[in-house]
Amino acid sequence: EPEVTQTPSHQVTQMGQEVILRCVPISNHLYFYWYRQILGQKVEFLVSFYNNEISEKSEIFDDQFSVERPDGSNFTLKIRSTKLEDSAMYFCASGKTGVDSPLHFGNGTRLTVT
Amino acid sequence: GEDVEQSLFLSVREGDSSVINCTYTDSSSTYLYWYKQEPGAGLQLLTYIFSNMDMKQDQRLTVLLNKKDKHLSLRIADTQTGDSAIYFCAERRDSSYKLIFGSGTRLLVRP
Repeated sequence: EPEVTQTPSHQVTQMGQEVILRCVPISNHLYFYWYRQILGQKVEFLVSFYNNEISEKSEIFDDQFSVERPDGSNFTLKIRSTKLEDSAMYFCASGKTGVDSPLHFGNGTRLTVT
Repeated sequence: GEDVEQSLFLSVREGDSSVINCTYTDSSSTYLYWYKQEPGAGLQLLTYIFSNMDMKQDQRLTVLLNKKDKHLSLRIADTQTGDSAIYFCAERRDSSYKLIFGSGTRLLVRP
């Protein structure tokens, strides 16, 4: 069964550094998402992306975050200048169509900012 | 507000049925989802229900939706040790792309 893949599984970075989290969504899906889960807290929506533009974003998704689909398969989340509070599990998800389509999630990237 | 609530923990004996409950606050919810998360793994989609349905059955899983009370439940029949995991309910509201998650229910299946 096709699945969403994320790399790396664990990323450690120093405060102030830039990180790029990578995702390969399911190949025939058109909608892409990033969520995060801070340890002990709920899974939170960050951003949705369709047709090469952001379709919706949360208040968490401020100017330090950006997303990109650099080619036909990858979907990336860049955090420009990481802060300690960015430490979390970051999940990528994709959906075949829009709001009526269930999301399929990857296994996540655990980001640790020291 | 954006509140999806679940009880934190459920323990059942192997072979019994498990019922995991979820409540939500917004009447504009259109789709409601159940995801399973095993240790170290991602969120696996189990099933989902459209808000105009009352029930959906898929093998051992039964989802019940009481829209009047904004209550969603997931019943797992003949629970197995492999069902031990965290179960998240999530809602999607009218014309929004985002899912709003509950805090998850940890299911422990005792042999």
